[in-house]
Amino acid sequence: KAGVTQTPRYLIKTRGQQVTLSCSPISGHRSVSWYQQTPGQGLQFLFEYFSETQRNKGNFPGRFSGRQFSNSRSEMNVSTLELGDSALYLCASSLELEYNEQFFGPGTRLTVL
Amino acid sequence: GNSVTQMEGPVTLSEEAFLTINCTYTATGYPSLFWYVQYPGEGLQLLLKATKADDKGSNKGFEATYRKETTSFHLEKGSVQVSDSAVYFCALLLYNQGGKLIFGQGTELSVKP
Repeated sequence: KAGVTQTPRYLIKTRGQQVTLSCSPISGHRSVSWYQQTPGQGLQFLFEYFSETQRNKGNFPGRFSGRQFSNSRSEMNVSTLELGDSALYLCASSLELEYNEQFFGPGTRLTVL
Repeated sequence: GNSVTQMEGPVTLSEEAFLTINCTYTATGYPSLFWYVQYPGEGLQLLLKATKADDKGSNKGFEATYRKETTSFHLEKGSVQVSDSAVYFCALLLYNQGGKLIFGQGTELSVKP
């Protein structure tokens, strides 16, 4: 069974631009969560989607948004990029309500110049 | 608030040495506890988990016991290998917060031959 895939794997943007990252969960998984990983702040929860609805949200500014499609694929968008948004963005998927078994993708490395 | 504290790294050991990485948590209610591992350039992999007090999670020679009285979930391995070199993250999940994992800062382990 294919794992969680994230595209692109690497991205370079400049301040002020916006970016969209994509996450395809494991087949059959309907829950997708997003995390930001930085050396200073560690791993921080961004948001979680289930059945195209945001179920939970972390403490990030409104520039960070996401959505989920009917096939469970999810995208996250960051608008008006800042230098501090440089990070590894990870998504994780799980079966419905099976949060004790979350599977992570390889991440998208975003660099903001 | 809910949080996880891990011992700071890096931890450097010789092959076949005994490993302990300390993890303590603060949480309202009774969380599930996890250890995730991150190899260079990769996402997170679930190493082991425990969902209630006194449970012992184990996998690939690693073990951790959920100790409610000391709010701890220390990771141990009797004999480490060079291939165990990675960053290890302790995390908790609260039952009423969906898939939101709260992570510790991570502990880098380096095993020398």
